[in-house]
Amino acid sequence: NAGVTQTPKFQVLKTGQSMTLQCAQDMNHEYMSWYRQDPGMGLRLIHYSVGAGITDQGEVPNGYNVSRSTTEDFPLRLLSAAPSQTSVYFCASRQDRPSETQYFGPGTRLLVL
Amino acid sequence: QQQVKQSPQSLIVQKGGISIINCAYENTAFDYFPWYQQFPGKGPALLIAIRPDVSEKKEGRFTISFNKSAKQFSLHIMDSQPGDSATYFCAASDQTGANNLFFGTGTRLTVIP
Repeated sequence: NAGVTQTPKFQVLKTGQSMTLQCAQDMNHEYMSWYRQDPGMGLRLIHYSVGAGITDQGEVPNGYNVSRSTTEDFPLRLLSAAPSQTSVYFCASRQDRPSETQYFGPGTRLLVL
Repeated sequence: QQQVKQSPQSLIVQKGGISIINCAYENTAFDYFPWYQQFPGKGPALLIAIRPDVSEKKEGRFTISFNKSAKQFSLHIMDSQPGDSATYFCAASDQTGANNLFFGTGTRLTVIP
């Protein structure tokens, strides 16, 4: 299994540009999530999904959209990038309860100029 | 508002010493407390986890101590090794809703030879 994969690894955007961060998992996990990691802030939940067609907001959802059309994929969209969205983004997935281990992808480093 | 408070922000330990990282929470509904380990350029990976029905869990050199009444838990790394140098995150989740994980702000551990 490849586990959780993310593309791209690194991206530079200009303010106002849009882009989609891709995330895929091959473990047939129902739950998927997106986090951003900033120095001194830890990992903060952006959006999550408990299954195909079901998404919900996390702690810091503003400026981001998600969709979940398949079990495998959970893309994160930035509609109009801002410098405050410069961060490292991690996608994660896990099985439904009782198993709670979250498996993280390798991350996407985003720089917004 | 940070749901899980973590300290210290950074920690330097001699090889063979004990590393201790502390976390505190307020939400009494939290019922799962994992620790994640993250190496530079990688995604976080589950290290060890505990539920509040036990006060301690040990896996090799890693031990979680849990104090339910104080709403605190800590990670102890015995016989710390240079290979343990990484960033450590505590986290917590509750039984309600989607079981989202809330992370602490992280501790950068450096073990010097």
